Amino acid sequence: DAMVIQNPRYQVTQFGKPVTLSCSQTLNHNVMYWYQQKSSQAPKLLFHYYDKDFNNEADTPDNFQSRRPNTSFCFLDIRSPGLGDAAMYLCATSRDYRVSDEQYFGPGTRLTVT
Amino acid sequence: AQRVTQPEKLLSVFKGAPVELKCNYSYSGSPELFWYVQYSRQRLQLLLRHISRESIKGFTADLNKGETSFHLKKPFAQEEDSAMYYCALTSTSGTYKYIFGTGTRLKVLA
Repeated sequence: DAMVIQNPRYQVTQFGKPVTLSCSQTLNHNVMYWYQQKSSQAPKLLFHYYDKDFNNEADTPDNFQSRRPNTSFCFLDIRSPGLGDAAMYLCATSRDYRVSDEQYFGPGTRLTVT
Repeated sequence: AQRVTQPEKLLSVFKGAPVELKCNYSYSGSPELFWYVQYSRQRLQLLLRHISRESIKGFTADLNKGETSFHLKKPFAQEEDSAMYYCALTSTSGTYKYIFGTGTRLKVLA
């Protein structure tokens, strides 16, 4: 009954080698979010989609891109991972833009950069 | 600057003791506040939100606008409350993006 699924759960990539993380949802929610969480830090929003409308955070590096080909799937692409990009990446969804809409999180993908 | 501060990284209490997890915020406007919880090997999930004025699993949180705080409280801690707790805020208009605190790990000792 998993509602927000992230694959893979663990990803190891080499410095500079492009990597893609995926997220899928069975909730049919309009909004999908990507967060980066480094050790002992708060989850930090990278960007989000409302349907197909992409919303980038001002301080998200250009190295991070995202795609949402349909309602159910969203991808995070890191074009040239650096050692500083090692982190847990969390995908979340919400039904809409309402303050009462809670965010549903996936289990996360832990990215290691060697 | 918009910020959520959770001053304690780790809070250890004995079973049956009262618990208070602190959360202070800085926000230019009128935010909505939430507590999210992550139990061991589980995903981050909503515990409670100010807008609902609810009590979940015995936890309550009161928004104090004067002190800009939203502390999480429970009168009698249970071992199953051991988890990572995150305070978060969002605006009450627009895109409702979350700003999270760094989290407090609660350990309830037998």
